[in-house]
Amino acid sequence: EVQLVQSGAEVKKPGESLKISCKGSGYRFTSHWIGWVRQMPGKGLEWMGIIYPSDSDIRYNPSIEGQVTISADKSNNTAYLQWSSLKASDTAMYYCGRLEGVHDAFDIWGHGTMVTVSS
Amino acid sequence: EMVMTQSPDTLSVSPGERATLSCRTSQSVSTNLAWYKQNPGQPPRLLIYGASTRATGIPARFSGSGSGTEFTLTIGSLQSEDSAVYYCQEYNKWPRITFGGGTKVEIK
Repeated sequence: EVQLVQSGAEVKKPGESLKISCKGSGYRFTSHWIGWVRQMPGKGLEWMGIIYPSDSDIRYNPSIEGQVTISADKSNNTAYLQWSSLKASDTAMYYCGRLEGVHDAFDIWGHGTMVTVSS
Repeated sequence: EMVMTQSPDTLSVSPGERATLSCRTSQSVSTNLAWYKQNPGQPPRLLIYGASTRATGIPARFSGSGSGTEFTLTIGSLQSEDSAVYYCQEYNKWPRITFGGGTKVEIK
């Protein structure tokens, strides 16, 4: 079964760092771009960036760039999203998704990682 | 900057009736458009890509149409499990990806 399994929910304080993960299985992980999508409470979907695990080519949404870091470990079939200094406004559900390939639509999604930042 | 406008914000439809959702883009995206369904507490699920191609396992009552700047998702005969929020997404200019604001479909 093709799937993306994300790490569990996190509760952090402002200023703390965090790295969440997305592990792929059931397909060749290095052959598809993996993207991260943010969904703030009660809001819509916002694309953050994508990474090609084969060579760690990364493309960020210009509105997000500098706020987060996307990375991948192809030996472990895992992509990551990290923050160096969290803000309350980072509170959201974060989804990873696999880009289909021919079409840049997300055909497989992780279940999401809820990140709560509160003092 | 690409702007995606979905309408209406909320659509209330009786079971068995047709639901028509609209997505407009501020620039032409050819047919590089996808539709997703999101149930509460769940990740989105891909319904349509290439503006009109159903994804694997998607029932035939879901159909997509349009090109350029105007797109439609039609749910042919609404069922109770179709109650959800539906999003469109464009992917016309690599690596840009843009989502619409969503349409909530309610069952009357």
